[in-house]
Amino acid sequence: QQPVQSPQAVILREGEDAVINCSSSKALYSVHWYRQKHGEAPVFLMILLKGGEQKGHDKISASFNEKKQQSSLYLTASQLSYSGTYFCGTETGGGGNKLTFGTGTQLKVEL
Amino acid sequence: GAVVSQHPSWVICKSGTSVKIECRSLDFQATTMFWYRQFPKQSLMLMATSNEGSKATYEQGVEKDKFLINHASLTLSTLTVTSAHPEDSSFYICSAKDGTYEQYFGPGTRLTVT
Repeated sequence: QQPVQSPQAVILREGEDAVINCSSSKALYSVHWYRQKHGEAPVFLMILLKGGEQKGHDKISASFNEKKQQSSLYLTASQLSYSGTYFCGTETGGGGNKLTFGTGTQLKVEL
Repeated sequence: GAVVSQHPSWVICKSGTSVKIECRSLDFQATTMFWYRQFPKQSLMLMATSNEGSKATYEQGVEKDKFLINHASLTLSTLTVTSAHPEDSSFYICSAKDGTYEQYFGPGTRLTVT
């Protein structure tokens, strides 16, 4: 079953913050976050492993709550380049397993 | 970083013909490669998992006789769409793993069947 992301879509003004949530019905081993621009392949943002990780680089960070089977992606001081569709990819087994991608969140940053 | 290429970038073919898409890991050996399909405004759906030298594992609902996957070496996997029909038109993306947690995605191949 596909992880559910919320919100489905969001429009921001440049400089505003956003949170994207990813919720799974299965126990998770890891969560991967990707951003995809129209007509292009997904670009890797970060991986969070089980153990309750939080990670970040630049103005994008993420958290992983194993017990709730949820992950959140935090975008702060958004830039125009942040526009795209964000997907979480969840792994339910040990390393080497396949990813199940979430429903996606469309983010548009405007001036 | 690790680079994955796909060829061709786009292809238009006639209904009933077969199309082969190549996925190559350029600077690493891929222990596992994955093939995804993405319809417009939808998420990526995993079609199959491919390990070098062994048969691919297909996801439920994916016809293995229609989507032939061959992982002949640690740097090359191919997906052949046999007897393509208009409903097979989609964006096909491969990814590869080098034994770490990360998946490296190729740029995708847009298939249009007329």
